[in-house]
Amino acid sequence: DIQMTQSPSTLSASVGDRVTITCRASESINNWLAWYQQKPGKAPRLLIYKASSLESGVPSRFSGSGSGTEFTLTVSSLQPDDFAAYYCQQYYGYPWTFGQGTNVEIK
Amino acid sequence: QVQLQESGPGLVKPSGTLSLTCTVSGGSISDYSWWSWVRQTPGKGLEWIGEIYHGGRTNYNPSLGSRVTISIDQSRTQFSLKLTSVTAADTAVYYCARVRGSYLLDSWGPGRPVTVSS
Repeated sequence: DIQMTQSPSTLSASVGDRVTITCRASESINNWLAWYQQKPGKAPRLLIYKASSLESGVPSRFSGSGSGTEFTLTVSSLQPDDFAAYYCQQYYGYPWTFGQGTNVEIK
Repeated sequence: QVQLQESGPGLVKPSGTLSLTCTVSGGSISDYSWWSWVRQTPGKGLEWIGEIYHGGRTNYNPSLGSRVTISIDQSRTQFSLKLTSVTAADTAVYYCARVRGSYLLDSWGPGRPVTVSS
């Protein structure tokens, strides 16, 4: 299986901060990577696909980059609604696998 | 706008079978190619269980071996998950999801918590 490793596990930030989350794959996955946001008690929500394509309806302050084995999710100016958990997921090979998640909390 | 809703028992006995159904509304299962199940535990995080093509072909996570079966109801508005020989490690929130473009989990049900306990 392709292992996905996210860092950091927890990130403390303030409204207006620029935050970056990193996701590393155990082997090259080209750009077959998605990012999800999850709030407590809710299902994950697709934010980014193909490493850098913004899902319809997702605010433009979210962006993704990377290819191969290293990827980043950036929120340019953190808003109150953005405090949540974020997960990366590869869909290069079966079984699809997820990172362990990054909790973005209020500083 | 398609909506998904999981249903089924929230408590299953060890060694028993976990059975969940996902009801699709606002569209037909035939409208999209693949439909998936994902589960989430505090310890292992998000785990992809498997998927089914509207024609019936399936892909499963090898970690679950032969315990898992995903099927589509003849009504074409529901698909189901069966997981046999469950243990406490199968305690999780189970999500069904629509797969867009063969690999994007773009619409999810709200999740069904399932506890395995005697």
